[in-house]
Amino acid sequence: GAGVSQSPRYKVAKRGQDVALRCDPISGHVSLFWYQQALGQGPEFLTYFQNEAQLDKSGLPSDRFFAERPEGSVSTLKIQRTQQEDSAVYLCASSLTGTFLSYEQYFGPGTRLTVT
Amino acid sequence: DQQVKQNSPSLSVQEGRISILNCDYTNSMFDYFLWYKKYPAEGPTFLISISSIKDKNEDGRFTVFLNKSAKHLSLHIVPSQPGDSAVYFCAASPRGGSNYKLTFGKGTLLTVNP
Repeated sequence: GAGVSQSPRYKVAKRGQDVALRCDPISGHVSLFWYQQALGQGPEFLTYFQNEAQLDKSGLPSDRFFAERPEGSVSTLKIQRTQQEDSAVYLCASSLTGTFLSYEQYFGPGTRLTVT
Repeated sequence: DQQVKQNSPSLSVQEGRISILNCDYTNSMFDYFLWYKKYPAEGPTFLISISSIKDKNEDGRFTVFLNKSAKHLSLHIVPSQPGDSAVYFCAASPRGGSNYKLTFGKGTLLTVNP
């Protein structure tokens, strides 16, 4: 079946621009996660949704970062007034459940954001 | 402060031999450990996991060992195959209400030479 998809795959933004990154999780998956992966680093947790509820946004680096999942399926990560330090790969993951079976996170291919 | 550490950025082995990837952690609240494999331009894919109540878990050519007292785990791949060449990430999740939150190491690039 279809996996997690993300769009766009690559995004170049000028410093100060706003960007929106989209994630389509696996159909029926309750939980959705966003991670940020800087060059040479492992993914770092940003935020977690269970259905449409954002249960944890502790990893969002600043108030320029905003995520939503209004209907409990597709999610959008928005970054306002992008800065060079925002350059990274943004990974989305989904899982059937988010708590007990936390290991079953299926990742998308990521969106590589470059801020110039 | 890196709570999950993979101290070897890269590892090169011959096809057919054993690959051993290591991971250390500092947070004693970590309760579940996972290994993910990542090919270029793809997202990480789950490989194998282990609960803190076990010290070994095996799945085909892949075995994960956990030494809780040393806060150390390792992934053994035997025999190694060229298709195993990828970046391997160690990850951990805590017990309790935040057990959805994965903390990753920086990864180890494994190259298996034919």
